[in-house]
Amino acid sequence: DIVMTQTPLSSPVTLGQPASISCRSSQSLVNSDGNTYLSWLQQRPGQPPRLLIYKISNRFSGVPDRFSGSGAGTDFTLKISRVEAEDVAVYYCMQATQFPHTFGQGTKLEIK
Amino acid sequence: EVQLLESGGGLVQPGGSLRLSCAASGFTSSSYAMSWVRQAPGKGLEWVSLISGSGGSTNYADSVKGRFTISRDNSKNTLFLQMNSLRAEDTAVYYCAKYGGQVIDYWGQGTLVTVSS
Repeated sequence: DIVMTQTPLSSPVTLGQPASISCRSSQSLVNSDGNTYLSWLQQRPGQPPRLLIYKISNRFSGVPDRFSGSGAGTDFTLKISRVEAEDVAVYYCMQATQFPHTFGQGTKLEIK
Repeated sequence: EVQLLESGGGLVQPGGSLRLSCAASGFTSSSYAMSWVRQAPGKGLEWVSLISGSGGSTNYADSVKGRFTISRDNSKNTLFLQMNSLRAEDTAVYYCAKYGGQVIDYWGQGTLVTVSS
């Protein structure tokens, strides 16, 4: 199975400041079709997860442009350019290149 | 608007069975793979199973293989998860999820399954 490792597991940030979360996979996520199926999800307290970013860097419908994704191969990053109060949540990376699909442990974003 | 509504959760004894359902609307369900993902209390997300749009192909996590069966009825836009031989470690919120290509793009609100005597 592909293991997804996120760092940090907890991130206290100041409102208006940037935040960054890293996700590393135990093997390359490049699929045989040439795509890399790495997504980022946001789960606010008491809510189901919500798709933010797919295929490394594509923002899903309705996602604010302060969220961005980057990376390649086995190393990926989610960045929030200016954190807002509504961004308090747990963020997960997920790979869907190989079965079983797997998630990172989650990173809790908190306001300082 | 895509909507996924799970039902069927509840309290069950160890070794018992439960069948979850997910009613889908807002899209042609036969065109998309669907999945179940679970989240134990206070824990992270765990992918459980996937079924292709036609229902002809399925995949399972090792933790549930041989005990859980995913299926779908496209005529009723409904996804199912039959769970047998339930264990305490299966206690979780079970989410129904829709794939758009190889991406989970929509999630249901979840249904809680508690396995306890």
